[in-house]
Amino acid sequence: DAKTTQPPSMDCAEGRAANLPCNHSTISGNEYVYWYRQIHSQGPQYIIHGLKNNETNEMASLIITEDRKSSTLILPHATLRDTAVYYCIVRPLIQGAQKLVFGQGTRLTINP
Amino acid sequence: DGGITQSPKYLFRKEGQNVTLSCEQNLNHDAMYWYRQDPGQGLRLIYYSQIVNDFQKGDIAEGYSVSREKKESFPLTVTSAQKNPTAFYLCASSIGRDGNEQFFGPGTRLTVL
Repeated sequence: DAKTTQPPSMDCAEGRAANLPCNHSTISGNEYVYWYRQIHSQGPQYIIHGLKNNETNEMASLIITEDRKSSTLILPHATLRDTAVYYCIVRPLIQGAQKLVFGQGTRLTINP
Repeated sequence: DGGITQSPKYLFRKEGQNVTLSCEQNLNHDAMYWYRQDPGQGLRLIYYSQIVNDFQKGDIAEGYSVSREKKESFPLTVTSAQKNPTAFYLCASSIGRDGNEQFFGPGTRLTVL
């Protein structure tokens, strides 16, 4: 599985856009980029995923560079409830059960 | 409500005792997973199951056992052979087809005294 690199921590003001970067320079052509987040002492929550096009859903937007070596998760209007650890994961397109390899993620703190 | 449940939320056991953590889902998902998380770390895969009566070892299966007799249930037994069992245990499920996300339960925090 491709390795990802994320900053260990970030801060953002409430109401502003939070931009979380992720480097995945060894990503293969068949690997998706997934983002999950984990609020303290809870199970991780799926946010969004993409292959090469930018994606948007009700929670966030995912911007993937043209060479696919990095991506950015954007929370457009961060709230205090968005404080969490955010994990960027890449994994191949395979049949059946799919292993997720979690790194240490980025601890995002939203400040009032 | 559809979802994935784990019980109990907190569990205490004496060293040397086996303990079974429960995981149930009513999402009709084929695949289920068990992860372990230590403080300040990411999740590590213990076991996973793609279909009923089938399961595979993950990265850290030693000292653990699982069963998958029903689609809805994937219990994890932490045996006395597990050297450092105190951790946060998370169960997840997914439809099993390509590109589908995993849904996680609330977790069980196991403390071995």
